Amino acid sequence: DTGVSQDPRHKITKRGQNVTFRCDPISEHNRLYWYRQTLGQGPEFLTYFQNEAQLEKSRLLSDRFSAERPKGSFSTLEIQRTEQGDSAMYLCASSKETQYFGPGTRLLVL
Amino acid sequence: GQNIDQPTEMTATEGAIVQINCTYQTSGFNGLFWYQQHAGEAPTFLSYNVLDGLEEKGRFSSFLSRSKGYSYLLLKELQMKDSASYLCAVRDTSGTYKYIFGTGTRLKVLA
Repeated sequence: DTGVSQDPRHKITKRGQNVTFRCDPISEHNRLYWYRQTLGQGPEFLTYFQNEAQLEKSRLLSDRFSAERPKGSFSTLEIQRTEQGDSAMYLCASSKETQYFGPGTRLLVL
Repeated sequence: GQNIDQPTEMTATEGAIVQINCTYQTSGFNGLFWYQQHAGEAPTFLSYNVLDGLEEKGRFSSFLSRSKGYSYLLLKELQMKDSASYLCAVRDTSGTYKYIFGTGTRLKVLA
């Protein structure tokens, strides 16, 4: 399977803990995106990489969120000091021309 | 500002045709995309339009009018498995190739 993969698929954590998610894009795709989605809403843009450069980060995103894409391959999204409002599906997508999504990581903060 | 509007819910009957509309106002435009999302799953790509007109892909067609900021997704010969949310997204070129999504249209197909 050469699609976008994400790990873990599910994460339950306690408020105040840090979590890190990983995304492996389709190998020839140079653009990588992170989104957050809550029930009944469309994906909300968080950040975007072209190769290893982080080109844009949502103004809605607090400083507790950080993302990296070392060497322009896989990417990680870290959330520090998680809050209950961070509970959501975190989606990664990659594109060359058309954007394709990974299966998502469902985060539950207790 | 950036705004994408689509109806929240639609209901249709198996075998029928349904049209899901999307209107957008964005600072840049480099394509309009349609995705299907079943409950609890990730969005899957259906179609996209960059130029005005109709793109047909089997039972699915998508239309774009850039001057009107308008698109629609047409689903023919509806099947029960088409019950899902349909997301309209605009690829914005103001600065980066960012995608802006609507809230999605939840389609229920009834027997």
